[in-house]
Order: sequence, then C-alpha cells, then structure tokens
Amino acid sequence: DAEITQSPRHKITETGRQVTLACHQTWNHNNMFWYRQDLGHGLRLIHYSYGVQDTNKGEVSDGYSVSRSNTEDLPLTLESAASSQTSVYFCASSPTGQGNTEAVFGQGTRLTVV
Amino acid sequence: GESVGLHLPTLSVQEGDNSIINCAYSNSASDYFIWYKQESGKGPQFIIDIRSNMDKRQGQRVTVLLNKTVKHLSLQIAATQPGDSAVYFCADSLWTDKLIFGTGTRLQVFP
Repeated sequence: DAEITQSPRHKITETGRQVTLACHQTWNHNNMFWYRQDLGHGLRLIHYSYGVQDTNKGEVSDGYSVSRSNTEDLPLTLESAASSQTSVYFCASSPTGQGNTEAVFGQGTRLTVV
Repeated sequence: GESVGLHLPTLSVQEGDNSIINCAYSNSASDYFIWYKQESGKGPQFIIDIRSNMDKRQGQRVTVLLNKTVKHLSLQIAATQPGDSAVYFCADSLWTDKLIFGTGTRLQVFP
C-alpha cells in the first residue's frame, strides 16, 4: 500500500544546530507540503513543492529550507534551530489536480529545541 | 488575504446526537474546501470535500454545507459516536493546490 512516512517521530536538538526532518511518500504524488502545528495556530504552511526541482515558500518559511531532488522525498532543514521552532511538523502529499488537494498526511515529527 | 477560521474551539455533544462544526473563510475566490479529522498523536485524515459549484455534499454520516454568500462552511456529523472525538479542521484551496487550514475545533463526545 502507498504511504507517507516521516522520520524521526521525535527529535530533541540544541539551539543553533542544523536539523533535517525526512518525508518520504510512495503515492507518486507531485505535490508535497510541510506544515507545523502549534497550539492555537492550527496547521501553518512552511514550504511546498509541485514537482522535482520546484520549491516554494509558505507563510512561515523563515529559518527553514527544502529541496526536491526526486518525486518521493521532501526533506525539511532547520538551518539553525531556535526554541521558537519547537513544534509538531507534518508532511503531506497530494496529486496535481487544479485545486484537487485530497492531501495525505504523515504521522508527524515532534521537534523540541532546547 | 487567505485565512480560514473557526467559530468554536471546543464542541461537546452527547453520544447519538448530531454535531455541527462551523468554519468561515475569507478568500471569496477559493474553489475547493476540505474537512480533516485529527486524532490525538496522528496526522490529519481526509473526511469530505466540496467544490464551490456545490452547496451540499453527503458522505457516510457526514454532510458538508457550503454557503458562498457568507463564506461559511459547516460539517455535520449524524449520530455522533465516541470514535468521532477529535480535532476537526477545515481547509480551503484555490487552483494553486495549496491548502490553508483553520485553527481547528475539538469535538468531545460524552456518553
């Protein structure tokens, strides 16, 4: 069965360190997204990609970067982790469809920056 | 700008009753709306969607209503069950395939 997996599920890191969160999907979806979820803010879009070599900034992209070298993976990198980036991170993918965005989500990565 | 919000952060209902979760959106150009359910410790899960050319769509025990005049969306759950307890998000999208989520409503079902 197709799936979308995130790793690690939990991560504790120190302020200033570079951290990369992995997202891998086997749906063969062109679209991939990274969201962060904080209490009281719902899901906020960090970065997204519509296909290989395509990346775009979302509403809260400062301090984050992504790269899309293949269809399956969209790793999220925190260049220099800050306490404000403590959050739960969700990756999602969806098929291209002119707004048809029945996205599937990963299980989430809980990141704590100390 | 694009924003999606919810009227009630928490909704408590008795098992067997119907639940109604509301959502307002601000982008009148949005043409696609989705409801997601998120259980504790899990990622959001698709429930039902509706396009802007429709007013109502029904699924299994769930109905989504769209009122474009007042930019309002609602999710109705019939005969609410304990397994329906979760946080529910509405999201809207334009042709860009980019979903914008609301802050969520927590549904609590008590016996």
